Amino acid sequence: GAVVSQHPSWVICKSGTSVKIECRSLDFQATTMFWYRQFPKQSLMLMATSNEGSKATYEQGVEKDKFLINHASLTLSTLTVTSAHPEDSSFYICSATKLSLQETQYFGPGTRLLVL
Amino acid sequence: GQNIDQPTEMTATEGAIVQINCTYQTSGFNGLFWYQQHAGEAPTFLSYNVLDGLEEKGRFSSFLSRSKGYSYLLLKELQMKDSASYLCAAISGGYNKLIFGAGTRLAVHP
Repeated sequence: GAVVSQHPSWVICKSGTSVKIECRSLDFQATTMFWYRQFPKQSLMLMATSNEGSKATYEQGVEKDKFLINHASLTLSTLTVTSAHPEDSSFYICSATKLSLQETQYFGPGTRLLVL
Repeated sequence: GQNIDQPTEMTATEGAIVQINCTYQTSGFNGLFWYQQHAGEAPTFLSYNVLDGLEEKGRFSSFLSRSKGYSYLLLKELQMKDSASYLCAAISGGYNKLIFGAGTRLAVHP
């Protein structure tokens, strides 16, 4: 199997607070995890690439101090949106690749964030 | 630069065949994916092509021409549940980054 979970699936928070989103590979070890953001009717935009035990690689235009990524183990990566603002409201999706098949990314179900 | 182009919207009739085209320009090309995404849900994997040619998987087939930077997804015997966005994504770079196209919204009508 290749199941990726995300928690929470929905989160509503006040402006200025921080939100942590977890991404877990449930039945495989993930060499690499990716974090994407998707605005309504737009495609997925890669935010950062995360490897276990090393610093994440952020895409151009993504603030690393605002979107903190921690990849503590081969099955868990977290994204923390710090000091969230309404413009951070989006659909955040993680994906993971297996050790044995590094090309294919398996996506989590996504986390919908609404910042009031 | 890196660029993925696909049509924005397509419509088709239940039972018919539809072909969704995708052209790409990426550095360090390492294969091309097609994903299906229903509204409000995460993408689900449909196909992966790294060599030229056609890959068939049930009602879905995907074709790749590396020399032309071109791929298509073919959906046969369309069903209403096939109404979704179809994302073309090229994989490139050392960490196998996926570069997504904007997606093609397919509407299947009775």
